[in-house]
Amino acid sequence: AQTVTQSQPEMSVQEAETVTLSCTYDTSESDYYLFWYKQPPSRQMILVIRQEAYKQQNATENRFSVNFQKAAKSFSLKISDSQLGDAAMYFCAYRAPWDMLTFGGGTRLMVKP
Amino acid sequence: DAGVIQSPRHEVTEMGQEVTLRCKPISGHDYLFWYRQTMMRGLELLIYFNNNVPIDDSGMPEDRFSAKMPNASFSTLKIQPSEPRDSAVYFCASVQGLAGELFFGEGSRLTVL
Repeated sequence: AQTVTQSQPEMSVQEAETVTLSCTYDTSESDYYLFWYKQPPSRQMILVIRQEAYKQQNATENRFSVNFQKAAKSFSLKISDSQLGDAAMYFCAYRAPWDMLTFGGGTRLMVKP
Repeated sequence: DAGVIQSPRHEVTEMGQEVTLRCKPISGHDYLFWYRQTMMRGLELLIYFNNNVPIDDSGMPEDRFSAKMPNASFSTLKIQPSEPRDSAVYFCASVQGLAGELFFGEGSRLTVL
């Protein structure tokens, strides 16, 4: 079974600084998808960024980028120029093409003004 | 599209009562998922449907839990009888094809006293 591990229960960052959230996963598949979801206090789960395992180029969405290391099974999220609105729970998730999403335990990000 | 719609947003009930949570997926999406989120267990997949047919209910915790999808635009998750340990946020999510982006509803926060 696939597992997703987020080893940082909580992180904090100063506004305008950069923070990196860690995620590792375990799989025997060669083709799969990885995601980062944001859950603000409103509870809404929002897709932040998505990475296809067959793509070597790291995905980027504005201030959000990933460092995808396939061999190491690592998928970290970098948030640049952190804003107060970035404060939320962040969940890493894995999915094989034929399977369901498996979520990590989440990392709570606090942004200090 | 209005997104995935869940109701109620909040439900407070007493132990032993029946609880029904409702979900309207995004039109055209052929997969529907029910997740439960707690502090202790994180996000757990309870059950999912494909074209209104339950595919995997192995995540349903007990016989007290049941889910139905009578048509493509409506699903229910029922707990009867409810217990305090069922207190959680229940999310519904839908997607078109397993490779697509999963869209979540805003969740239903259930408190069982």
